[in-house]
Amino acid sequence: AQSVAQPEDQVNVAEGNPLTVKCTYSVSGNPYLFWYVQYPNRGLQFLLKYITGDNLVKGSYGFEAEFNKSQTSFHLKKPSALVSDSALYFCAVRKKDSWGKLQFGAGTQVVVTP
Amino acid sequence: NAGVTQTPKFQVLKTGQSMTLQCAQDMNHEYMSWYRQDPGMGLRLIHYSVGAGITDQGEVPNGYNVSRSTTEDFPLRLLSAAPSQTSVYFCASSRGADPMNTEAFFGQGTRLTVV
Repeated sequence: AQSVAQPEDQVNVAEGNPLTVKCTYSVSGNPYLFWYVQYPNRGLQFLLKYITGDNLVKGSYGFEAEFNKSQTSFHLKKPSALVSDSALYFCAVRKKDSWGKLQFGAGTQVVVTP
Repeated sequence: NAGVTQTPKFQVLKTGQSMTLQCAQDMNHEYMSWYRQDPGMGLRLIHYSVGAGITDQGEVPNGYNVSRSTTEDFPLRLLSAAPSQTSVYFCASSRGADPMNTEAFFGQGTRLTVV
């Protein structure tokens, strides 16, 4: 069965420290990979995507993600976390021929403390 | 730019009632989708559409209907509401075949409670 796993329900980090949110996937082919962020009572906002090419992808608000094909992982990172980064983060996968169909992980709550 | 607009933002239904959740996008996107968000389960795809007149089922379609008569609108109908349909519903849209512009844009969500 195809799946997207975010192994941590919550990640706690102190402001200024590096932040990592993990994602692994089990989807056939070479899917497109995405990260979204959701602030309380809001919709999802797109952060970044991996389509092809360089394994390190840079996105919005200082976030980046590293694609590792052999480990089928797409971890989200930020070198120095801010309190305002506290939110719910979702990893999502789309097969190349599955137009409009995203498969999401369960989400990881990030809490950044001052 | 309005993006993806969902109405209503909140709704309380009684078991057995029907209603339509509205979704409209002004970005001329071909693809539109409906997801439901439940705690600990991420977002799950209900129905999706790859263009006007074309719809298909997602992962959890039971109890829901959709239609796509125009590019802009993609309403979601609950036929006979059940408590299990209590959830937050998100509509999303995305461009067509260009993989470099394939990310989805989401509405603000509709929080539905069925009592």
